[in-house]
Order: sequence, then C-alpha cells, then structure tokens
Amino acid sequence: QKEVEQNSGPLSVPEGAIASLNCTYSDRGSQSFFWYRQYSGKSPELIMFIYSNGDKEDGRFTAQLNKASQYVSLLIRDSQPSDSATYLCAARGTNAGKSTFGDGTTLTVKP
Amino acid sequence: EAQVTQNPRYLITVTGKKLTVTCSQNMNHEYMSWYRQDPGLGLRQIYYSMNVEVTDKGDVPEGYKVSRKEKRNFPLILESPSPNQTSLYFCASSLGWADYNEQFFGPGTRLTVL
Repeated sequence: QKEVEQNSGPLSVPEGAIASLNCTYSDRGSQSFFWYRQYSGKSPELIMFIYSNGDKEDGRFTAQLNKASQYVSLLIRDSQPSDSATYLCAARGTNAGKSTFGDGTTLTVKP
Repeated sequence: EAQVTQNPRYLITVTGKKLTVTCSQNMNHEYMSWYRQDPGLGLRQIYYSMNVEVTDKGDVPEGYKVSRKEKRNFPLILESPSPNQTSLYFCASSLGWADYNEQFFGPGTRLTVL
C-alpha cells in the first residue's frame, strides 16, 4: 500500500462545476497535508495546506481533513479551464523532513 | 526575486559518467530537498537537509549523494549514473519544517542517461 494514495484519474469536469480530488494516507502520525498544482512541464506550486481537522477555504478552493479516516480532499468550485493540471497531495509524516507525495490526479476542465 | 534555481535544466549523459546537478536558493531557507518525478509516480523524495551539514535519506536515495556545506546550496551528485536514473529532478526549499512551511520548487532538471 502506498503511503499516500490519490483517486485515479483522469478527472474531467465541465466549466463552472465542482471538482473533487481525494487523498488517503497510511501514516497516522502525519501532521500536515499540502495540495500542489502542477502544469505540464512545470514545477509544482502550492495551492493550500491543512493540518487541523475540518475545512479550510481559500477563494474557490476548500481543503478538508479528517484524521480519523486518514482522508484529505480538495474541492475546486466554479472550475475554470485554467484549473486543468495535475494535482499532487503531499503528507508530512512522523519523520521530520520526510515528505511523501501521491501519484497525482490529472484534472481537465472543459469549456 | 526569491527563487530556487537548478542547473543544468537539461542534461544528456552516458552511463557511469559522474555528474552534479546544482541547486541554490536565495531565501535563506533552512530546509532543502531533492525529488525525482517519473511518469505516473508523483514526486519521490531522494534526500533532504534540515540545515547546514545535516542531511538524511528520503525514499529513493540509492545511487545519489548530496552535501550541504552552505545554507543556500544543495547539490545532487550521481557518482555513476545508470539509465534507471533518467528522470525529471526537482529541488525544493522551505523556511523550516513547521506544519505551515510550504516548499518552493525549482524549475526542474530533465536528465537522460544513455
């Protein structure tokens, strides 16, 4: 079992819809979680981080964390074609300095 | 401009020829890390450094070496590259290792080992 697993893609949604990206992790000691967006051929860039149970909102993006279920999600409201990218979920585990990424979910937003 | 730089951006080499990929950050960050990215496999951590002279192995350290003699630089060394090290490499840095410290990534180095 991978330490961080993301829902298999690709995911396709129409413009204006809500895109839901999911991530589960196996290390119960993981403290914080990060969502990165990566455009093709580019480096990852941070969208949001979350380390407390519950929801965290930033503009059109909402991250949700449920430590009991070991589940993290990212919701993108009013999806735009410019949101089309690969989204990477990352967890920081019990080892300070170690960062584990999921394989990524590719999102396509169709006009 | 605050940034992480990597050199070279593209490199084609042959098996066994030692190479170094440089990484430098101008943000006075304590933490630096190297990742490789292969199709469909996300980012896998190679080595990381919590501070000067402090380095540790990530998930895929075999075949790689690093050093952290200065805060700003964190070179990745392949002593004897092999074709299975053909990959896209990213260097990243962050202020520290607090829960909210995001990692800033360099532009990537695409390495091909023939």
